Amino acid sequence: NAGVTQTPKFRVLKTGQSMTLLCAQDMNHEYMYWYRQDPGMGLRLIHYSVGEGTTAKGEVPDGYNVSRLKKQNFLLGLESAAPSQTSVYFCASTIGPERPQHFGDGTRLSIL
Amino acid sequence: KQEVTQIPAALSVPEGENLVLNCSFTDSAIYNLQWFRQDPGKGLTSLLLIQSSQREQTSGRLNASLDKSSGRSTLYIAASQPGDSATYLCAVSPASGTYKYIFGTGTRLKVLA
Repeated sequence: NAGVTQTPKFRVLKTGQSMTLLCAQDMNHEYMYWYRQDPGMGLRLIHYSVGEGTTAKGEVPDGYNVSRLKKQNFLLGLESAAPSQTSVYFCASTIGPERPQHFGDGTRLSIL
Repeated sequence: KQEVTQIPAALSVPEGENLVLNCSFTDSAIYNLQWFRQDPGKGLTSLLLIQSSQREQTSGRLNASLDKSSGRSTLYIAASQPGDSATYLCAVSPASGTYKYIFGTGTRLKVLA
């Protein structure tokens, strides 16, 4: 049972480049989340989804887009990467708001 | 706006000690609260989830309590072990039904052998 899988694990981008982070879960969870973790700031919610085909903005959505075309996948896109988006990105999923969230191991993204 | 604070930011204790980690939040209208563990370079692992109607949850050597009226939660770790060394984060879900979590910045715990 893989749980929540994030790809890639590491990536270095140049300013202005675009990329997509993939999150896949095999637990049939409805809810999925993208967070970023920065030193001294804790985890901040970027976007989330409460079911296939739905997305909603979190606390820090600017500069990011998301899609949930399939229930098991939640994609996070950076259209034009900026150095301020250097961070560790975590994906999480849960079957419902009363249940624990399951996290992936993160994607470490550096933007030069 | 809900804010979550964890003090201290770092803590070192000798093996075998019982310890308490603190979490405070500014808005008592919460749906639930979770405690997580994060090991270096890894994702978060949920330890305990307390619903707003509950006062505490227990799992093995861990006990989490919730006092909504005072905006506080504590994570009690009994008989600490070096393997407990990690960062512990708490997160609250606002009662607005948006299913979002607000995280604290965590307490980095080191248990010395």
